[in-house]
Amino acid sequence: ETGVTQTPRHLVMGMTNKKSLKCEQHLGHNAMYWYKQSAKKPLELMFVYNFKEQTENNSVPSRFSPECPNSSHLFLHLHTLQPEDSALYLCASSQDGGAGNTIYFGEGSWLTVV
Amino acid sequence: AQSVTQPDIHITVSEGASLELRCNYSYGATPYLFWYVQSPGQGLQLLLKYFSGDTLVQGIKGFEAEFKRSQSSFNLRKPSVHWSDAAEYFCAVAPNNAGNMLTFGGGTRLMVKP
Repeated sequence: ETGVTQTPRHLVMGMTNKKSLKCEQHLGHNAMYWYKQSAKKPLELMFVYNFKEQTENNSVPSRFSPECPNSSHLFLHLHTLQPEDSALYLCASSQDGGAGNTIYFGEGSWLTVV
Repeated sequence: AQSVTQPDIHITVSEGASLELRCNYSYGATPYLFWYVQSPGQGLQLLLKYFSGDTLVQGIKGFEAEFKRSQSSFNLRKPSVHWSDAAEYFCAVAPNNAGNMLTFGGGTRLMVKP
C-alpha cells in the first residue's frame, strides 16, 4: 500500500467509448501527476497538478482530459481513444511541486483500447 | 531538455552476485537523480535520490548509487543480489529548478538466477 490508489486496475474500452480513470491519495499531498507507461517508450509525464491547478500538460492529445477536483483526487477522462493509447497509466503524488519531494506512485491502471 | 539512457535492457545475475545497473544522463547542469524499482503489477517505488553533497547515495533494500559528474552517470549498485530483487529498474532525472518534473530512462529488467 503506497498511499496512492488507482481504479480501475484494468480497463478495456472501445474506440468510441468514454471512460475515466480515478486516483486518490491518502498522503496529504498537494501535487498529483499522470504518467503513461507503454511497452515501447519510457515513462512519460502527461499532466501535473499543484494545489488543484494544472501546471504542466506535456503535449497530451485532447482525447485525454484530466480533472483535479481537490488535492486528494485526480481523474483522467478518456474518449475516442486509439489502440496505441493502450498502456499502463500511473498516478503519482508528492508533498507539493517543489524540488526535493519524493514522488509516490500508485499501482497503475492497465488500459486496453480495442 | 534532459534525457536519460539506460544502456542495458535486460540483465541476469546469479543470486548472491554483485549488481551494477548503468544510467547516463544529459543535462546542462547537475540535475536531481533518482532510481525507482517496479515489481510486476506494481507501481514505482523510490530506491534513492541524489540532490547534492556526497556523491555516494545510500538507498533502501541495500542499494547504493554513485553520481559521477565527469561521466554524466548515476549507476546503481548492490553487493549481493537477492531473488526478490528481480524487477524493472528505472533511472530518472529532473532539472534542479523543477525537481518534480521527472524524465525516465527506458528501464533495465533484472532477472535473478538461483
